Amino acid sequence: AQSVTQLGSHVSVSEGALVLLRCNYSSSVPPYLFWYVQYPNQGLQLLLKYTSAATLVKGINGFEAEFKKSETSFHLTKPSAHMSDAAEYFCAVSAGSGGYNKLIFGAGTRLAVHP
Amino acid sequence: KAGVTQTPRYLIKTRGQQVTLSCSPISGHRSVSWYQQTPGQGLQFLFEYFSETQRNKGNFPGRFSGRQFSNSRSEMNVSTLELGDSALYLCASSTPGQAPGEQYFGPGTRLTVT
Repeated sequence: AQSVTQLGSHVSVSEGALVLLRCNYSSSVPPYLFWYVQYPNQGLQLLLKYTSAATLVKGINGFEAEFKKSETSFHLTKPSAHMSDAAEYFCAVSAGSGGYNKLIFGAGTRLAVHP
Repeated sequence: KAGVTQTPRYLIKTRGQQVTLSCSPISGHRSVSWYQQTPGQGLQFLFEYFSETQRNKGNFPGRFSGRQFSNSRSEMNVSTLELGDSALYLCASSTPGQAPGEQYFGPGTRLTVT
C-alpha cells in the first residue's frame, strides 16, 4: 500500500528566501512521485515528477525535488521564493502501472510568502 | 490544446437529491480520473475510466458512480446526496505514454449540499 506524509500544513517564508516543503512516502513497489500545486479556486497543476530516471528532478517555476530512497523522502525546494509561489502544494504517490493513474495525496502544505 | 473542462463549476443541491457532473478531457486523452477534495479528508481518488471501462475504484459508497463515453467525456453521478458530499470534485485526464499518475486536472466542480 502507498501513503504520503507532508510535514507542516502551513509554511511561511519571506520573498527571496529558500522554500523547503517536506514529503515522506511509503510504497511497497518502486514509486512514481509527484508534486502538484493548487492556486485558489483552481485545479491542480503538475510541478514535477519522479519516475526513476534521475534522483534530482527539476520542475516548472524554478522548483526541484530530490528522491532519497534511504530516507523515503521527496522534498520540494526552490532557492528563492516569489510572491506568486503562494499556493497549496501536494505531494502524491502513484501505485504504478498496476494501479494505473490512481494518486494517493498528502494532506497538503499551504505556502505563504511575505514581503 | 484546450485543457480539461468541467461543468458546472458550482452547484447547490438539497440532501436526498442526485447530481451529475461532467468532464471533458484534453483532446486525445483516453483516461479520466475523478477525485473528491474536502477540508477534512483532503484529496481522495474516486475512480478512473479508460476507453469506457472503469479500471480502478477508490473507497467510496455505491452512491458514487461514473461512466465514460466513446468520445472520452466522462460523467460522475452521486445519488441520495448527504451533507458530507459537499466538496470540490476534480477531474483529471491523461494519455498513454505519460507516467502513471501524471495527470492534467480541470478546475473542479464545487458541490454544496444543503
